[in-house]
Amino acid sequence: GAVVSQHPSRVICKSGTSVKIECRSLDFQATTMFWYRQFPKQSLMLMATSNEGSKATYEQGVEKDKFLINHASLTLSTLTVTSAHPEDSSFYICSARDIQQGSNYGYTFGSGTRLTVV
Amino acid sequence: DQQVKQNSPSLSVQEGRISILNCDYTNSMFDYFLWYKKYPAEGPTFLISISSIKDKNEDGRFTVFLNKSAKHLSLHIVPSQPGDSAVYFCAASGDSGGSNYKLTFGKGTLLTVNP
Repeated sequence: GAVVSQHPSRVICKSGTSVKIECRSLDFQATTMFWYRQFPKQSLMLMATSNEGSKATYEQGVEKDKFLINHASLTLSTLTVTSAHPEDSSFYICSARDIQQGSNYGYTFGSGTRLTVV
Repeated sequence: DQQVKQNSPSLSVQEGRISILNCDYTNSMFDYFLWYKKYPAEGPTFLISISSIKDKNEDGRFTVFLNKSAKHLSLHIVPSQPGDSAVYFCAASGDSGGSNYKLTFGKGTLLTVNP
């Protein structure tokens, strides 16, 4: 089945630094990738939708200058948390959509990245 | 505005019994629904889905029921096994014919299956 690789699985960084998270679709081409954020005991909140070769579409309330998304190829999207602060500490998950949908509607999720800003 | 609601934060069931997880939605434009299982510090794993043109979909021990008039769906797991213990998320999408296929998630229900 479709596999999405997300790295790193966990990262600790100092306040003020930037962190890049990668999301790769390993065996399919993903024209659309999604980035989610999950707080403890909360739902997965969609941050942005990225389409290959175009600018990401951010959800209301998400700072696009803080959460930079790049989707340069059909198999790779990156999320960069710039000038990270402790309140950015969270679990970030990417999802890639395979145009050859299937019963999962084409969505495959990465394993997530636990970001801790100290 | 929570468009997908899972009103039970947790559910505890005895092994071998049926687990019923509920989900309600408010957006009538949603036409495809999915259930995911999630362990801590991992991404969601797809379980089963249903299109709005159906009212039931079954896959092994998992069955999803959809009541469009009530805007309600449920996931039945029978028989429940200890390995089913996880957080279950309901998700919905309303763009089956469009270009933006984003999912809207509920808050999840923690299922605990006791041996």
